[in-house]
Amino acid sequence: AQSVTQLGSHVSVSEGALVLLRCNYSSSVPPYLFWYVQYPNQGLQLLLKYTTGATLVKGINGFEAEFKKSETSFHLTKPSAHMSDAAEYFCAVSLAGGTSYGKLTFGQGTILTVHP
Amino acid sequence: DSGVTQTPKHLITATGQRVTLRCSPRSGDLSVYWYQQSLDQGLQFLIQYYNGEERAKGNILERFSAQQFPDLHSELNLSSLELGDSALYFCASSWTPNTGELFFGEGSRLTVL
Repeated sequence: AQSVTQLGSHVSVSEGALVLLRCNYSSSVPPYLFWYVQYPNQGLQLLLKYTTGATLVKGINGFEAEFKKSETSFHLTKPSAHMSDAAEYFCAVSLAGGTSYGKLTFGQGTILTVHP
Repeated sequence: DSGVTQTPKHLITATGQRVTLRCSPRSGDLSVYWYQQSLDQGLQFLIQYYNGEERAKGNILERFSAQQFPDLHSELNLSSLELGDSALYFCASSWTPNTGELFFGEGSRLTVL
């Protein structure tokens, strides 16, 4: 079975500061890893994904994440926060193929607050 | 706009009642997933259908059932509702069932009084 742990349910940064949201996963087989964002009163939107290949993946809105197998981590970063980045961010894992059929297991979410 | 449509957006009902939530996936997507989001449980996978057939089941209660119709829309039926069933129910779809890249609707917020 797979699981996801997001460190920090709330993260607060100043506009222009670095954003770092932490995610660690547990999986018995090579995972697919995802970051989704949820704005208030909206559904989840895919930010970026790692499946295979390059371990540093770039997503929308200037976000990127690095898959580190040795650390079982997939932290999300953005060099400079913008007020519009305020939202809840979810890390998720899916088993590569097999019987998972793309079922996502989500972390508990991290609420990002951006101060002027 | 993800292309996934969920109705109704809001629903208020009483304990013991039954409701049906409807989902239309993105055009061309064969897989439909249902998730429940609540404050205490977070985002929980309920069930997945692929081209009309059930493919995976998660933490779905026996009081809940779902199906995917030939036109690929899906319905989630919740019966004998309890206060604890109050949550946001999301439908998501994908073209291929194996990658985890899902497109989510805006959800149906269910309040059980």
